[in-house]
Amino acid sequence: AQKITQTQPGMFVQEKEAVTLDCTYDTSDPSYGLFWYKQPSSGEMIFLIYQGSYDQQNATEGRYSLNFQKARKSANLVISASQLGDSAMYFCAMRGDSSYKLIFGSGTRLLVRP
Amino acid sequence: AAGVIQSPRHLIKEKRETATLKCYPIPRHDTVYWYQQGPGQDPQFLISFYEKMQSDKGSIPDRFSAQQFSDYHSELNMSSLELGDSALYFCASSLGNFEGRGSTDTQYFGPGTRLTVL
Repeated sequence: AQKITQTQPGMFVQEKEAVTLDCTYDTSDPSYGLFWYKQPSSGEMIFLIYQGSYDQQNATEGRYSLNFQKARKSANLVISASQLGDSAMYFCAMRGDSSYKLIFGSGTRLLVRP
Repeated sequence: AAGVIQSPRHLIKEKRETATLKCYPIPRHDTVYWYQQGPGQDPQFLISFYEKMQSDKGSIPDRFSAQQFSDYHSELNMSSLELGDSALYFCASSLGNFEGRGSTDTQYFGPGTRLTVL
């Protein structure tokens, strides 16, 4: 069975600073994908970044980067230069090899302080 | 760029009524997924379709059914609604690649339909 664990229910960060949101996963699939989504208070689910299990390099998308440590089964999201608009719920999710559905973690609520 | 369209955005129903949620995927996307997100919860997978065929099934109640049409839009039909069905229902779409690992199969979500059952 696949599982995503996000151990930080809530986090604060000062505007313009960097923040790391933790995500660990468990799967027996040899190939899988890891995703991060942002959910603002308005409710929509916004795709941020993707990391494939066979990707050699950590994924980056603008201010978002994924610190992928396969041996530790972790896929932490790093947001650099935080902005007030980054305040939202962040979900880590995984897609396995045997099924294309996404399994989500419980989420981390990030609040950016001015 | 075109995104996933869901309608209606908000829906209020009484217990035991029926509801139909519609989803229009991103153009050229052939795979549609439905998720249910209860208050304060993470999204839970309900069902998915690839090329108009059901491809996977999750924790979808027997009272719910779904299908994907020839134009790739999908509908989620919900009958005998219960208070516990109140949730945000997301549709997501992706460009499936079931024969290889060439694509990321990233799922792009619609804005959701917020269903309230009274």
